[in-house]
Amino acid sequence: DIQMTQSPSAMSASVGDRVTITCRASQGIANSLAWFQQKPGKVPKRLIYTASSLQSGVPSRFSGSGSGTEFTLTISSLQPEDFATYYCLQHNSYPYTFGQGTKLEIK
Amino acid sequence: EVQLVESGGGLGQPGGSLRLSCAASGFSFSTYGMSWVRQAPGKGLEWVSTINGNSDSTYYADSVKGRFTISRDNSKNTLYLQMDSLRAEDTAVYYCARLTAGYWGQGSLVTVSS
Repeated sequence: DIQMTQSPSAMSASVGDRVTITCRASQGIANSLAWFQQKPGKVPKRLIYTASSLQSGVPSRFSGSGSGTEFTLTISSLQPEDFATYYCLQHNSYPYTFGQGTKLEIK
Repeated sequence: EVQLVESGGGLGQPGGSLRLSCAASGFSFSTYGMSWVRQAPGKGLEWVSTINGNSDSTYYADSVKGRFTISRDNSKNTLYLQMDSLRAEDTAVYYCARLTAGYWGQGSLVTVSS
């Protein structure tokens, strides 16, 4: 099974900050990775697919990069509505696996 | 517009059964694999199961293998999750999803308790 190690598990940042979240796969998954944002009580929302493609309607301050085993989600300039929990998902092989989540809080 | 609407959640007894349904619309249902994802209270997301478009292939997380069964009825555009031998740790919001396209239902709460 492929393990997804997401870091950090939590972080605090200020509006306007640049933030990077990382997911490492225990084996290569090519670019079969997506990033999701979830706010409390809400359905997860996909931000990035195939590691670096921006979902339609998602602000361009979000970007994804990586391939193989290391992936990053970057928010270039944090906005108040970006404070949420973020998850990566590998869908290269079964069982699919999510990262543990990164809770992004206001500093 | 793609819509996924879950139903069938509620209170289940330990050792008992529940069946979730997910009614899909807005896309060619039989063409796509469909999944269930769950989230226990205050916890992260956990992939549960996936079925391909023609039901030839099914996949399960180890945590539910042998207890849960995923199925679909393409004539009704509906996805199912039969949950047997329920345990307290199955308590979660269950989401129906077309995962690789980013479409999720609103979720259905399953609580397992005596």
